[in-house]
Amino acid sequence: AQTVTQSQPEMSVQEAETVTLSCTYDTSESDYYLFWYKQPPSRQMILVIRQEAYKQQNATENRFSVNFQKAAKSFSLKISDSQLGDAAMYFCAYRYQTGNQFYFGTGTSLTVIP
Amino acid sequence: DAGVTQSPTHLIKTRGQQVTLRCSPKSGHDTVSWYQQALGQGPQFIFQYYEEEERQRGNFPDRFSGHQFPNYSSELNVNALLLGDSALYLCASSFPRPSYGYTFGSGTRLTVV
Repeated sequence: AQTVTQSQPEMSVQEAETVTLSCTYDTSESDYYLFWYKQPPSRQMILVIRQEAYKQQNATENRFSVNFQKAAKSFSLKISDSQLGDAAMYFCAYRYQTGNQFYFGTGTSLTVIP
Repeated sequence: DAGVTQSPTHLIKTRGQQVTLRCSPKSGHDTVSWYQQALGQGPQFIFQYYEEEERQRGNFPDRFSGHQFPNYSSELNVNALLLGDSALYLCASSFPRPSYGYTFGSGTRLTVV
């Protein structure tokens, strides 16, 4: 079964500090994409960052970066210089390269403390 | 450029009733996927529609059905509602073969009482 595990139901970070959200996944496939989505109170899922599994280089988008360890099936998200607007639920997900569905984790609720 | 639009935003139904949720995809997208997000959980894939046909289905009973119209908009129908169907229902649109370009709507919050 395809699973995504986010072991941290809740995290908090001081404004301007750095926080890392953890994610592990389980799949027997080799070609897939990995994602971090943000879900604020508005409920819309917003793409934060993505990573192609065939790329060894970790993806970076401004203050957001990932640590992708394919052999360990680990995909953590680092948020630098945290801002109040970063407060939200964060979901880790993957999708097969030729597939049609996302497999999501259960989410991590991030609180940013002013 | 309008994103994904879902209606209604909230609704309350009684157990045993039927409900229809609606989704208009982002301009240019022709593929629509539906997800169920129970409270405290991540979204679960229900099905995907492309060219007015169900292309792939997740592990949901036949009470969940859908439709896609020629203008690419879509409906999700749930029959014989159960209390456990209470959830946020998300719609996502995309091109048929996206590398990653899915756009999600803000969902419909369904409460079954």
